[in-house]
Amino acid sequence: GAGVSQTPSNKVTEKGKYVELRCDPISGHTALYWYRQSLGQGPEFLIYFQGTGAADDSGLPNDRFFAVRPEGSVSTLKIQRTERGDSAVYLCASSQTGRAYGYTFGSGTRLTVV
Amino acid sequence: AQTVTQSQPEMSVQEAETVTLSCTYDTSESDYYLFWYKQPPSRQMILVIRQEAYKQQNATENRFSVNFQKAAKSFSLKISDSQLGDAAMYFCAYRGTGNQFYFGTGTSLTVIP
Repeated sequence: GAGVSQTPSNKVTEKGKYVELRCDPISGHTALYWYRQSLGQGPEFLIYFQGTGAADDSGLPNDRFFAVRPEGSVSTLKIQRTERGDSAVYLCASSQTGRAYGYTFGSGTRLTVV
Repeated sequence: AQTVTQSQPEMSVQEAETVTLSCTYDTSESDYYLFWYKQPPSRQMILVIRQEAYKQQNATENRFSVNFQKAAKSFSLKISDSQLGDAAMYFCAYRGTGNQFYFGTGTSLTVIP
């Protein structure tokens, strides 16, 4: 597609529920990233995919968070047993491979855990 | 770990005037890239400008330019002829040899008509 698409745009869930956040990157971008942005903060790294594999998942806060990218395109961020502290905007970005390239970001999913 | 500091939580500028947003960073790496991103209320982060650390010449993109001081680890963004559409959060970001970007906490820019 022309840009990075994230769905849903907003998600409200109850504490303890399971949620899935979807990211559809720019066609041809092999690198895909997930970031979390809490209120008043800059984005914080969660996980990086190169192709289908998670090349770096060092930013995932705990084992309730998991992400997949089975065909090297669309990615899903999965959060189990959600907690109120998980409330944030979850941003997805994709890029061509190489450090010189900036990311192209999606508009994010605002997750609210009540 | 690398850190990026933006010491100005909020800035304002009159339309058509010039404003400078500050950013400092801490790293032991010599090879890295620096970026400024703009985040309007739509939440989408938009790349404004990038700078390669090995280049001494400051990057320029139309009304946007940077003042890169490598020894001081400073990377400020200058916006000339400010327009109403420039109002947004601005984030400074660092990318070194690792896979991730490190972002500052942002500066909220208001443009006064």
